[in-house]
Amino acid sequence: ELKVEQNPLFLSMQEGKNYTIYCNYSTTSDRLYWYRQDPGKSLESLFVLLSNGAVKQEGRLMASLDTKARLSTLHITAAVHDLSATYFCEITGNQFYFGTGTSLTVIP
Amino acid sequence: DTGVSQDPRHKITKRGQNVTFRCDPISEHNRLYWYRQTLGQGPEFLTYFQNEAQLEKSRLLSDRFSAERPKGSFSTLEIQRTEQGDSAMYLCASSLETGYNEKLFFGSGTQLSVL
Repeated sequence: ELKVEQNPLFLSMQEGKNYTIYCNYSTTSDRLYWYRQDPGKSLESLFVLLSNGAVKQEGRLMASLDTKARLSTLHITAAVHDLSATYFCEITGNQFYFGTGTSLTVIP
Repeated sequence: DTGVSQDPRHKITKRGQNVTFRCDPISEHNRLYWYRQTLGQGPEFLTYFQNEAQLEKSRLLSDRFSAERPKGSFSTLEIQRTEQGDSAMYLCASSLETGYNEKLFFGSGTQLSVL
């Protein structure tokens, strides 16, 4: 059974701190996406990662992909309140599967 | 660029009725996706199109669900004989498939409530 697991499920962190969200998946994948979702809103694409070793950064977020370990990370640097949201990873291939989501709260 | 548009925003229906949702993608985008999401859960893939061709359909999708994308522009998602378990937010997304940096743009969704 295909699984896409994220951890932690819930994350509360102080402003200015660093943290990493993990996305583990159990099958091969063509691509891996990261999304952000604010409460009551739709999804916003953050990154698409295509190959082993891919790293992308935008602002305080950096995503990486290790296809051999079937692991992607979303690293948050010097968190600010505006980053509070739920973050999802998604793997795609013949089918598309979302992770369980990580609800991030950044505390001032 | 007006973004991805979905209609209606909300739909309330009685169990057993048929419903149809519409999605208008960003005009130059060749791929269109349908997902559904229930409260507190991650989105669940339903189907996607490249131009007018339906390339994949979720194995979880019953035959009550059908989607079309005539002429490779807008898409419709129809649910026949709705059940209470169909209550969810139905999300549409579109993208321009370039082979290396495809980014999905999501609409605001259609919230379906089946009574």
